[in-house]
Amino acid sequence: SQKIEQNSEALNIQEGKTATLTCNYTNYSPAYLQWYRQDPGRGPVFLLLIRENEKEKRKERLKVTFDTTLKQSLFHITASQPADSATYLCAPLYSGAGSYQLTFGKGTKLSVIP
Amino acid sequence: DAGVTQSPTHLIKTRGQQVTLRCSPKSGHDTVSWYQQALGQGPQFIFQYYEEEERQRGNFPDRFSGHQFPNYSSELNVNALLLGDSALYLCASSPGPTANTGELFFGEGSRLTVL
Repeated sequence: SQKIEQNSEALNIQEGKTATLTCNYTNYSPAYLQWYRQDPGRGPVFLLLIRENEKEKRKERLKVTFDTTLKQSLFHITASQPADSATYLCAPLYSGAGSYQLTFGKGTKLSVIP
Repeated sequence: DAGVTQSPTHLIKTRGQQVTLRCSPKSGHDTVSWYQQALGQGPQFIFQYYEEEERQRGNFPDRFSGHQFPNYSSELNVNALLLGDSALYLCASSPGPTANTGELFFGEGSRLTVL
């Protein structure tokens, strides 16, 4: 079965710096890889999706990369702000697994310190 | 435009009881998926409903069952509750099971505590 690992359970970073979160997967590459943000007691909110044949995707201060050789996705938040503090989840979607049957990692809790 | 709504937001049950959770999808969406999120874990896929039928199922026992209604709303039922069923139950909707974007719209969840 597929295993998803997010680099650390918690990451503390100074305001204004770039936060980098890692998502590693085993076995075969997913067709898509999604990133979600989750605030305490709330449902996840979709942020970005990157396809297997894409190397990089950007949205405002967010950037996602996808390296199928390393079996890894990196999620960057530039010029981080305290409002970015949340848990970030990566979720690969495998073709053949069925649409929307996402496999979520445990998440990385990001704290941006003022 | 209302997003995904779930009810109840919190509930407490005892072992052996049964629970029903409800979900209304985002307007324009016809596919509903249910996820279980234990404390400190990522969401785990339970099942997906489309056209009133269960289309996909994760690794959950048949104590977990569901239903989808003609208006696309959905229910999740859990029988013979165990302590380990305590979790945040998330409903997610999407505009069809094979849409290209793949993003899910989640509700705020129903927090179930089993005593």
